[in-house]
Amino acid sequence: GIQVEQSPPDLILQEGANSTLRCNFSDSVNNLQWFHQNPWGQLINLFYIPSGTKQNGRLSATTVATERYSLLYISSSQTTDSGVYFCAVFSGGYQKVTFGTGTKLQVIP
Amino acid sequence: DAGITQSPRHKVTETGTPVTLRCHQTENHRYMYWYRQDPGHGLRLIHYSYGVKDTDKGEVSDGYSVSRSKTEDFLLTLESATSSQTSVYFCAISGQGEGNQPQHFGDGTRLSIL
Repeated sequence: GIQVEQSPPDLILQEGANSTLRCNFSDSVNNLQWFHQNPWGQLINLFYIPSGTKQNGRLSATTVATERYSLLYISSSQTTDSGVYFCAVFSGGYQKVTFGTGTKLQVIP
Repeated sequence: DAGITQSPRHKVTETGTPVTLRCHQTENHRYMYWYRQDPGHGLRLIHYSYGVKDTDKGEVSDGYSVSRSKTEDFLLTLESATSSQTSVYFCAISGQGEGNQPQHFGDGTRLSIL
């Protein structure tokens, strides 16, 4: 099946710093979604992005499907950005979804 | 966010007992999913449903069964729970449209099997 790798696995940032998280996938996908899992365990939708670039406030995402990767940018990080960021790819029929193992982000004041 | 309710939110039970987790949605979405989350593995798909009475296996389906008798409810059953099934279980839903639709997640059920 399709493989999804995220990097880096762990990241510590000073508040106010910028960061880039990467998601590589091994085969063609129909779509891609980024999630943030907050410290309470809730999974929050960030972006649903098969290709191109989307922005939402301090966060933006770019997917280059032909090169099989997606990037999540976090600017001016805040302590509330802490948690785990997952990418999930959609492939095959019936919305088969495969998750990466996540990037754990800690933003310190 | 999307109207998804998982119950119970926490459960502790003993090995060998049957366990049923419920996912209820108010969005009338076609697709529903059950995942488990374990350290080092991210989220892994257990079973999914693409309509009432239409279900299929995911990558970690052994030891689990599901049922969907109504659009709004998707049940996950552990017939005889084992300690390896201790995990956090998430339900997700997605709608039907042109191409894939985004998934929305419930708040999870923390299940401990002693």
